[in-house]
Amino acid sequence: GAGVSQSPSNKVTEKGKDVELRCDPISGHTALYWYRQSLGQGLEFLIYFQGNSAPDKSGLPSDRFSAERTGGSVSTLTIQRTQQEDSAVYLCASSLEPTVRGTEAFFGQGTRLTVV
Amino acid sequence: KNQVEQSPQSLIILEGKNCTLQCNYTVSPFSNLRWYKQDTGRGPVSLTIMTFSENTKSNGRYTATLDADTKQSSLHITASQLSDSASYICVVTPTNAGKSTFGDGTTLTVKP
Repeated sequence: GAGVSQSPSNKVTEKGKDVELRCDPISGHTALYWYRQSLGQGLEFLIYFQGNSAPDKSGLPSDRFSAERTGGSVSTLTIQRTQQEDSAVYLCASSLEPTVRGTEAFFGQGTRLTVV
Repeated sequence: KNQVEQSPQSLIILEGKNCTLQCNYTVSPFSNLRWYKQDTGRGPVSLTIMTFSENTKSNGRYTATLDADTKQSSLHITASQLSDSASYICVVTPTNAGKSTFGDGTTLTVKP
């Protein structure tokens, strides 16, 4: 596709259930980022993948959160035993290179997660 | 800790008026600074990028300035339009990591 694609666009889940959020980055982009945005708040960094390097997981808020990127392309963010405070919009972004080199990161539309 | 602080938190202006949004950062060493526009319910979209050596960058009615000495940036919007209503986010990237620091954004509302 032409842009970063995320699915589902909306997800409502019961507290305690596991959820998987998917991100399809722009083809050829080596860098992929996951962010979380709570209502009315700024973006919170979660995890960063760059090529074959070990991911930067420093932003994951707890061990209930994990992410993987298969084949250097599609990424899945998994939240286990969801809690109400996990409710937020989860945004994925990809860039051709690390943004430290000035490359623009392109964002998907996000997945709105609601834990009830 | 690297920080990016934006002000004001929210702003309401009349259509056709100008406005200026501020961004102060402590990220060091500095690589680049981007301003993003985020419409409600959508992902952020880049407006401008500036590196250490650049003082100003324009994109249509949007003009960004950077003072690397005082670690301040501003985004000036001229002749505002209703479609400018959005959140404007300042993002600073250091040279020593691929991880950027996002400000909390300024929510701009343009009223007719």
